[in-house]
Amino acid sequence: RKEVEQDPGPFNVPEGATVAFNCTYSNSASQSFFWYRQDCRKEPKLLMSVYSSGNEDGRFTAQLNRASQYISLLIRDSKLSDSATYLCVVNSPGGYNKLIFGAGTRLAVHP
Amino acid sequence: DARVTQTPRHKVTEMGQEVTMRCQPILGHNTVFWYRQTMMQGLELLAYFRNRAPLDDSGMPKDRFSAEMPDATLATLKIQPSEPRDSAVYFCASSNSLGAGNTIYFGEGSWLTVV
Repeated sequence: RKEVEQDPGPFNVPEGATVAFNCTYSNSASQSFFWYRQDCRKEPKLLMSVYSSGNEDGRFTAQLNRASQYISLLIRDSKLSDSATYLCVVNSPGGYNKLIFGAGTRLAVHP
Repeated sequence: DARVTQTPRHKVTEMGQEVTMRCQPILGHNTVFWYRQTMMQGLELLAYFRNRAPLDDSGMPKDRFSAEMPDATLATLKIQPSEPRDSAVYFCASSNSLGAGNTIYFGEGSWLTVV
């Protein structure tokens, strides 16, 4: 089983739609969670951190469910510019606390 | 605007040749990562350094890959000899482990094609 698993998609949605992605992680001791965004042929960039109580940044809402070991990202009122791959990222605790990336979920927003 | 700088941006080389990729982390960042991304495997962590010391290179094929940090402003990833299966995008990233969270900042990547 992979440490971080995501549905690869693609999710094809019209502008204005609400779309949600889920991600599961295997290490119950993980403490840090993030969503990164990667545009085609570009580097990943931090979209938002995910906090235990859930957090919102404009049209984006992130939730964490520790009991079930999953993280979600909700995008409301999708824009064409939201088209990208969304990477779920979880820390792998231990001596060196490295970050593990999921393979990503591709989103395509169409007019 | 501080950013991670990688060279070369694109490289096409023949199988068997040595490839060296270089990275300048964001000034003041003490943690440097090398990731490899392919369509099949996604982003894989190859190696990472903290305060220039290698902490984890378990993701790196040891027989042909090597990673070093000669100084705080330069990280290198070397492949010798290169093989077609090494074709991928190699990202360098850096973070300040003393800062809030573990946000890491990526360079634009080195796009490697081995023919």
